[in-house]
Amino acid sequence: AQKVTQAQTEISVVEKEDVTLDCVYETRDTTYYLFWYKQPPSGELVFLIRRNSFDEQNEISGRYSWNFQKSTSSFNFTITASQVVDSAVYFCALGGYGGATNKLIFGTGTLLAVQP
Amino acid sequence: EAGVTQSPTHLIKTRGQQATLRCSPISGHTSVYWYQQALGLGLQFLLWYDEGEERNRGNFPPRFSGRQFPNYSSELNVNALELEDSALYLCASRKGGEEQFFGPGTRLTVL
Repeated sequence: AQKVTQAQTEISVVEKEDVTLDCVYETRDTTYYLFWYKQPPSGELVFLIRRNSFDEQNEISGRYSWNFQKSTSSFNFTITASQVVDSAVYFCALGGYGGATNKLIFGTGTLLAVQP
Repeated sequence: EAGVTQSPTHLIKTRGQQATLRCSPISGHTSVYWYQQALGLGLQFLLWYDEGEERNRGNFPPRFSGRQFPNYSSELNVNALELEDSALYLCASRKGGEEQFFGPGTRLTVL
């Protein structure tokens, strides 16, 4: 069965602190995708990153960075020098390559509150 | 380039009625996905349409149905509404093997 676990329900930090959002996944597929989406209060899911299962290279995009480790089935997301605008619910998701797996399995989300 | 659009933004219905939600994908995207985000249940996959055909379905009763039109827009129908159908319904579109891009959602309230 496919499953995504985001153990952190809520995180509160003060502006400029670094924060890491954890994501652990389960799948029997050998090839798959991992995603992070941001959901601000408006409700729309904003795409942040997609990672192929065969590409374990970490990625940095501005203040955002992602650490993918197949050995521990984790795909963690770090925000450096957090800002109030980062406040949102963040979802980690697992997706397949096609057919019946062509859908996203979401974690339960982590609510990040960045205080000024 | 316009993003995924959904209408209406809000929809209020009473139990037993039918609801119709609409989604227009990003231009060039042929796949449309529907997800339900209900309080306490997280984001759950509902339906996937591609090239006018239903390709995959989540664990939802047949009351939930939909279709995709020749212009790739899509409609989600929920019949015999129940209180627990109250949720944010998100539509996403996709082109080929790329990531899914989401619309702003329709908030359905069943009274």
